[in-house]
Amino acid sequence: GEDVEQSLFLSVREGDSSVINCTYTDSSSTYLYWYKQEPGAGLQLLTYIFSNMDMKQDQRLTVLLNKKDKHLSLRIADTQTGDSAIYFCAENLGNYGQNFVFGPGTRLSVLP
Amino acid sequence: DTGVSQDPRHKITKRGQNVTFRCDPISEHNRLYWYRQTLGQGPEFLTYFQNEAQLEKSRLLSDRFSAERPKGSFSTLEIQRTEQGDSAMYLCASSKDTSEAFFGQGTRLTVV
Repeated sequence: GEDVEQSLFLSVREGDSSVINCTYTDSSSTYLYWYKQEPGAGLQLLTYIFSNMDMKQDQRLTVLLNKKDKHLSLRIADTQTGDSAIYFCAENLGNYGQNFVFGPGTRLSVLP
Repeated sequence: DTGVSQDPRHKITKRGQNVTFRCDPISEHNRLYWYRQTLGQGPEFLTYFQNEAQLEKSRLLSDRFSAERPKGSFSTLEIQRTEQGDSAMYLCASSKDTSEAFFGQGTRLTVV
């Protein structure tokens, strides 16, 4: 099926690292994405990784991709209270990359 | 360009009424997507346009739903004879070809 799975909740202390995990199903996905959604807001693209890469780093964000296990993770270093949000993993299905399938989202709570 | 714009941001309607939402994509983006997001869930794909052509529709898009993108720029999503189950956030996104999709803030529909 077209399921993207994520754990629903994560709590970390301010300054610690957060790791949000995701498993996806379609090995033909060309890109995999992480989106952030703050309360009452739309989705903000955080970062994405091309499927032939294992890792991508962008400032405090590190994306790791294990294509064999279809596992994607997002690490946020030095987590801040402003990072509290819901994080969605998404894969891009469809013959022409037109159908983004999202996971249920991981709600990250950053405790002071 | 200020990104993907959706109008209205909020809509409250009585059951049985018709509603129409508008999406203005990022100007150079040829692809436009509609998604629906219910509380506690990730966005679900509804339909997709490449320029003015509607190329894919999800099974979620019942006969009461219709989307258009007449000139390959803005798009409208109409829901006829609204039902309480239609209450959700309707998200529009755009992309250039298969690159990452940028989302609008969404239109929150409440059917009473």
